[in-house]
Amino acid sequence: DVKVTQSSRYLVKRTGEKVFLECVQDMDHENMFWYRQDPGLGLRLIYFSYDVKMKEKGDIPEGYSVSREKKERFSLILESASTNQTSMYLCASSFSADTQYFGPGTRLTVL
Amino acid sequence: GQNIDQPTEMTATEGAIVQINCTYQTSGFNGLFWYQQHAGEAPTFLSYNVLDGLEEKGRFSSFLSRSKGYSYLLLKELQMKDSASYLCAVRGLKGDDKIIFGKGTRLHILP
Repeated sequence: DVKVTQSSRYLVKRTGEKVFLECVQDMDHENMFWYRQDPGLGLRLIYFSYDVKMKEKGDIPEGYSVSREKKERFSLILESASTNQTSMYLCASSFSADTQYFGPGTRLTVL
Repeated sequence: GQNIDQPTEMTATEGAIVQINCTYQTSGFNGLFWYQQHAGEAPTFLSYNVLDGLEEKGRFSSFLSRSKGYSYLLLKELQMKDSASYLCAVRGLKGDDKIIFGKGTRLHILP
């Protein structure tokens, strides 16, 4: 079974803090994705990566950056958290253009 | 542009059948996914259609018509545990590893 794990299920941070969300997959997948999910807006792609040290902007990259130093790990970074970044963050991975498998999600609250 | 439409909410009765529709307009088409997402949890993969026709998997079936830009997910013998959101997602361009998600249909099952 594919396993995608995320570092925290729930996280509370203050405005202006730097926030790291980590995602690890154990299936040697090439592609990894970060989404945020908000009521009424659905899943929106923030960034994705198709190889180590490679990254591509998704639909809403502003305010975020990513890092992929190892194939199994994809980190999402909020350089200076803001209240409008309060959301559910979902990581996913896939092999090439195959089905995406999701981690359990991190519910981030920025106060 | 890219657009995926599905109803926001639906209600059905335990033991009945429900059909959740999805229409899409995307730049190219290379497959359509259905995911199930229970409240507070990550989406889980249900089905993938790339050719026209019906794919059956137990109580769930998914249909695709590429010429009409249309798909549906059919759930039979509804159970209370089927109460969830159902996400339609499309891969647009061939070789594109990204998929575009609809906003999801929240399905309520009544006893």
